[in-house]
Amino acid sequence: EDKVVQSPLSLVVHEGDTVTLNCSYEVTNFRSLLWYKQEKKAPTFLFMLTSSGIEKKSGRLSSILDKKELFSILNITATQTGDSAVYLCAVFSTNAGKSTFGDGTTLTVKP
Amino acid sequence: EAQVTQNPRYLITVTGKKLTVTCSQNMNHEYMSWYRQDPGLGLRQIYYSMNVEVTDKGDVPEGYKVSRKEKRNFPLILESPSPNQTSLYFCASSFSGLPPDGYTFGSGTRLTVV
Repeated sequence: EDKVVQSPLSLVVHEGDTVTLNCSYEVTNFRSLLWYKQEKKAPTFLFMLTSSGIEKKSGRLSSILDKKELFSILNITATQTGDSAVYLCAVFSTNAGKSTFGDGTTLTVKP
Repeated sequence: EAQVTQNPRYLITVTGKKLTVTCSQNMNHEYMSWYRQDPGLGLRQIYYSMNVEVTDKGDVPEGYKVSRKEKRNFPLILESPSPNQTSLYFCASSFSGLPPDGYTFGSGTRLTVV
């Protein structure tokens, strides 16, 4: 059975801090890993990672994948209160249509 | 506007009373999927459909049915709802179901079964 584990489950930081969110996985026939941000509504797409060692960046957010050790990290630098959300990691297999999500990391950024 | 529309947004029902949550997309996507999300948990896949008349079970299909008679619609049917199906439900669609095609999610349906 495919499995995705995120850590920590929750995190409270202050504005300006840097955070690292973790996602480890055990998936048969790995294809891609995706990160989503969820703010009390539907998830919104952040990054898709397919190859090891290639960092994806978008503003203060960045992410990288290690296919040998089967994990990914999501970094957020200079956090803002607007970064408060649940961050979801999802792994897609080559079995078309099948996806497995982690339980998410709840990030709270205090002013 | 390209979107996935779910209805209703909120629903309170009683145990055993059949209900249908509708999902419709206007992007000509071939792939559609249903997820449920419970407090503190990520999204768990219920059913997905790669195309018309093609549906497959996800990780938690028990107690649910789906149909895909036309490309744009993918209703989720609860024949005999039970309290453990109280959850937040999301419908999603994409062109192929495989990244890099991103998913478009609906706004969610919050279902309470009493």
